[in-house]
Amino acid sequence: AQRVTQPEKLLSVFKGAPVELKCNYSYSGSPELFWYVQYSRQRLQLLLRHISRESIKGFTADLNKGETSFHLKKPFAQEEDSAMYYCALRGDNFNKFYFGSGTKLNVKP
Amino acid sequence: NAGVTQTPKFQVLKTGQSMTLQCAQDMNHEYMSWYRQDPGMGLRLIHYSVGAGITDQGEVPNGYNVSRSTTEDFPLRLLSAAPSQTSVYFCASSRDSGETQYFGPGTRLLVL
Repeated sequence: AQRVTQPEKLLSVFKGAPVELKCNYSYSGSPELFWYVQYSRQRLQLLLRHISRESIKGFTADLNKGETSFHLKKPFAQEEDSAMYYCALRGDNFNKFYFGSGTKLNVKP
Repeated sequence: NAGVTQTPKFQVLKTGQSMTLQCAQDMNHEYMSWYRQDPGMGLRLIHYSVGAGITDQGEVPNGYNVSRSTTEDFPLRLLSAAPSQTSVYFCASSRDSGETQYFGPGTRLLVL
């Protein structure tokens, strides 16, 4: 079964502190993973995808197939990073996506 | 360029009533999808379409119907609403399923 797990519902950090949002997946094939973000009163939008191997707004995520993880990291959190973050997996039916339950990141001043 | 639009923004239904949630996009995207968002469960795929005339079931399709008669529109129908369908519904579109999905603003549905 394909599943995405985000173990933390809420993560609170202080401005300037490192942040890591955890994402684990279960999938037997070669996964395609994404991070989506929803800022307050804004639409859900793509933050990054693992195949792009890019850094967006200072965030990076590395696919670790051994640990079946795709954790989102940023070395120095900013207040504007406060948002809801969702990890998503594109399943073996390439037209189906599976989302985690989301982690709310709160960056305190 | 309005992107993905959804109507209505908010709706209250009584159990057993039917309604259609509208979704439209003006980006000529082939792939469109419907999700429901429930507390603690994230987004779950209801139905999706890879082009006009082609639809398929997602993870939680029961109680919902869709059709795709044009590239632009992808309505979601609730034939007989149930309280379990109280949720926030999101429509999304992308050029194809492998590309970035663009989400609509959501429809908040309350079934009494």
